[in-house]
Amino acid sequence: EVQLVQSGAEVKKPGESLKISCKGSGYSFTSYWIGWVRQMPGKGLEWMGIIYPGDSDTRYSPSFQGQVTISADKSISTAYLQWSSLKASDTAMYYCARVVPAAEADYWGQGTLVTVSS
Amino acid sequence: SYELTQPPSVSVSPGQTARITCSADALPKQYAYWYQQKPGQAPVLVIYKDSERPSGIPERFSGSSSGTTVTLTISGVQAEDEADYYCQSADSSGTYPVVFGGGTKLTVL
Repeated sequence: EVQLVQSGAEVKKPGESLKISCKGSGYSFTSYWIGWVRQMPGKGLEWMGIIYPGDSDTRYSPSFQGQVTISADKSISTAYLQWSSLKASDTAMYYCARVVPAAEADYWGQGTLVTVSS
Repeated sequence: SYELTQPPSVSVSPGQTARITCSADALPKQYAYWYQQKPGQAPVLVIYKDSERPSGIPERFSGSSSGTTVTLTISGVQAEDEADYYCQSADSSGTYPVVFGGGTKLTVL
């Protein structure tokens, strides 16, 4: 069974750094892209970027380029989304998903809620 | 930037047919994908490549394409179908990044 399990909810202060994770199982982690999606409170879905764990090829949506870093450790089948300096506007639910570039996201993680507040 | 346009809301009574549209210039050249998201849950893929249904998705969910508009149709709507629905596609180059539509809230009256 394909599963993506994300790390737990986080509460951070503005300016702090953060790295959240997404662990894949039940399939060949290095053979599929992993994408990250943001959902701000009460709002729609936004693609942030994707990574191919096999060779760490990474592509960012223009709105998120330079704002976050996507990485992966294929030895432990885990993808990451990180911020170096959080802002209150980063408060959102973040989902990872197994994706085919320019095509479907067929399996999703359960989401990680990030709250940034002073 | 490339945009997909969906109606903000659609309302239907149980047993009726709901149709949710998604419009964009590149849709004649690019596949569309549909996701269902219920409150407090992660999205679920319900249609891929315009009209294909993943395993486990009820047959009442179907997709179609005509020109610059794709349509998600839910026949015999049930109360459990009340959710937000998002379309997804790519621009005419077909490369990443793909985008989501703004989402449509389906209300079952």
